[in-house]
Amino acid sequence: NAGVTQTPKFRILKIGQSMTLQCTQDMNHNYMYWYRQDPGMGLKLIYYSVGAGITDKGEVPNGYNVSRSTTEDFPLRLELAAPSQTSVYFCASSSGSWDGYTFGSGTRLTVV
Amino acid sequence: KQEVTQIPAALSVPEGENLVLNCSFTDSAIYNLQWFRQDPGKGLTSLLLIQSSQREQTSGRLNASLDKSSGRSTLYIAASQPGDSATYLCAVRDQTGANNLFFGTGTRLTVIP
Repeated sequence: NAGVTQTPKFRILKIGQSMTLQCTQDMNHNYMYWYRQDPGMGLKLIYYSVGAGITDKGEVPNGYNVSRSTTEDFPLRLELAAPSQTSVYFCASSSGSWDGYTFGSGTRLTVV
Repeated sequence: KQEVTQIPAALSVPEGENLVLNCSFTDSAIYNLQWFRQDPGKGLTSLLLIQSSQREQTSGRLNASLDKSSGRSTLYIAASQPGDSATYLCAVRDQTGANNLFFGTGTRLTVIP
């Protein structure tokens, strides 16, 4: 049981480039989330999804987009990368409101 | 908006000591509270999940308590070991809005051999 899988683990982008961070879960969870973690700032919610075809903005959505075409996959798209998007990105999933979250191992992104 | 605070921000203890990490939250309308461990450069590992109706949960040397009405939780670690050195994060699942998880900024624990 792989849980939540994120790729890539590391990436360096130039300002203005675009990329997609991949997230896949094999637990048949309906809820999926993207967080970013900046040093000393805690984790902030970027986007979330409560099921296939349904997505919504979190606390810090600007500069990002998501899609949820299947239950398993929840990719995060960065358009026109900026240095402020340098961060560690975590994907998570949950089966319901009363259940805990399972996190992926993260993607460390640097924008130069 | 839910605010989660963790005190202290950093803690250093000698091996073998028992210790307590604190977490407070501002809105008591929660589904549950989850404690995570994060090693440097790594992801989040779930340690304990306490439902809002529960008072405590135990796993091995870890015991987490929850007082929902006062907005507080503690994580007790017994007989600390150097391998316990990590950052411990507290997160609450809010009942308002989208039922999302709100995180504290963590307590960085160092256990000195």
